[in-house]
Amino acid sequence: GAGVSQSPSNKVTEKGKDVELRCDPISGHTALYWYRQSLGQGLEFLIYFQGNSAPDKSGLPSDRFSAERTGGSVSTLTIQRTQQEDSAVYLCASSFRGRVYEQYFGPGTRLTVT
Amino acid sequence: TQLLEQSPQFLSIQEGENLTVYCNSSSVFSSLQWYRQEPGEGPVLLVTVVTGGEVKKLKRLTFQFGDARKDSSLHITAAQPGDTGLYLCAGYIIRDDKIIFGKGTRLHILP
Repeated sequence: GAGVSQSPSNKVTEKGKDVELRCDPISGHTALYWYRQSLGQGLEFLIYFQGNSAPDKSGLPSDRFSAERTGGSVSTLTIQRTQQEDSAVYLCASSFRGRVYEQYFGPGTRLTVT
Repeated sequence: TQLLEQSPQFLSIQEGENLTVYCNSSSVFSSLQWYRQEPGEGPVLLVTVVTGGEVKKLKRLTFQFGDARKDSSLHITAAQPGDTGLYLCAGYIIRDDKIIFGKGTRLHILP
């Protein structure tokens, strides 16, 4: 089935290095979200893309975090100069424009900063 | 600040027992969703409720949206080990085009 896919599934990086996390949403879904989930915790909103509108970046924790969405499809979340507190699972979700509240999540990328 | 409070945070019960988890806010939501997340996976949508007072059933799970659309409950009848997981509620505020997630209820069903 063509669900939301994320890559890599696991990423171990050294403190101070940059990382890129990729999300492939469900075809036809115009909305795309990034969340962060620390161990055993709920979801922390990071950024929201809706079609060609300017993204809602209000959840990005610092200017080390950025995201882009190319061609209204694939999205990349970039973390520069990673810190140990960035260690978490990064989840991507997509949804239809008409039902943006019904999100379909990918399996996540587990990021470990050593 | 819009918040969605879930209770309890943790619940561990025996197989066959019934349970209810709650999701409460001071905000009014256009719709509310419940998700279940298992270890190593992303959350999976269980249900959407839209109308105040609405009740939806999914096998042994019963979801209710409060009359004022500020709260919701999830009731599980005769819990089974397969119900174990993190249950998340999420409210949608159409005016702001925003989704607010609760912190979740971690449910463990003992065989």
